Amino acid sequence: KNEVEQSPQNLTAQEGEFITINCSYSVGISALHWLQQHPGGGIVSLFMLSSGKKKHGRLIATINIQEKHSSLHITASHPRDSAVYICAARHFGNEKLTFGTGTRLTIIP
Amino acid sequence: NAGVTQTPKFQVLKTGQSMTLQCAQDMNHNSMYWYRQDPGMGLRLIYYSASEGTTDKGEVPNGYNVSRLNKREFSLRLESAAPSQTSVYFCASSVPQFPLSRFLNQPQHFGDGTRLSIL
Repeated sequence: KNEVEQSPQNLTAQEGEFITINCSYSVGISALHWLQQHPGGGIVSLFMLSSGKKKHGRLIATINIQEKHSSLHITASHPRDSAVYICAARHFGNEKLTFGTGTRLTIIP
Repeated sequence: NAGVTQTPKFQVLKTGQSMTLQCAQDMNHNSMYWYRQDPGMGLRLIYYSASEGTTDKGEVPNGYNVSRLNKREFSLRLESAAPSQTSVYFCASSVPQFPLSRFLNQPQHFGDGTRLSIL
């Protein structure tokens, strides 16, 4: 069993829909990262959170430490949101990240 | 404002050839990382460097060597390329969380990747 698991693996939705991507982890962490990988391959950090909730524009990330679960939400989804979304767990005591396999999101106009 | 720059972007090698992937960051970060990304798998850490002059093995170091000659640059070398090393390679950098500093919980900044094919 991977230490970090994401669901779903693939998600296709219509423009405007509310999107939820889930991430579960099985290890103690100091922070949980959400990253976006563009179709061209570049990776951008979206959020890093260790508790509660963070919001940036139409993106919202939440984390429940007790349940070892995080979600990434996208409101009013747009075709430009089409990308692979990756969660990664930062381990206690070091800089290392363990990555999920990603969720491929496709938003249809 | 370049951030993390990787070269080359694409490379095709024959089995047994050697090559070095270059990575440079201009954000004055201490920590630098090399990852590989393969279909159906998450990014996996090959090597990392917590500071200039120090390097440590990650999850999949076999077949690779690294060099951190200065704070800006962290190179990854394949001494004798094998088809199993066909992958997309990413370099990243970050301000370290440890020792504790005012730069707590900083994200990693990624390069655009190098797509490497070994025939």
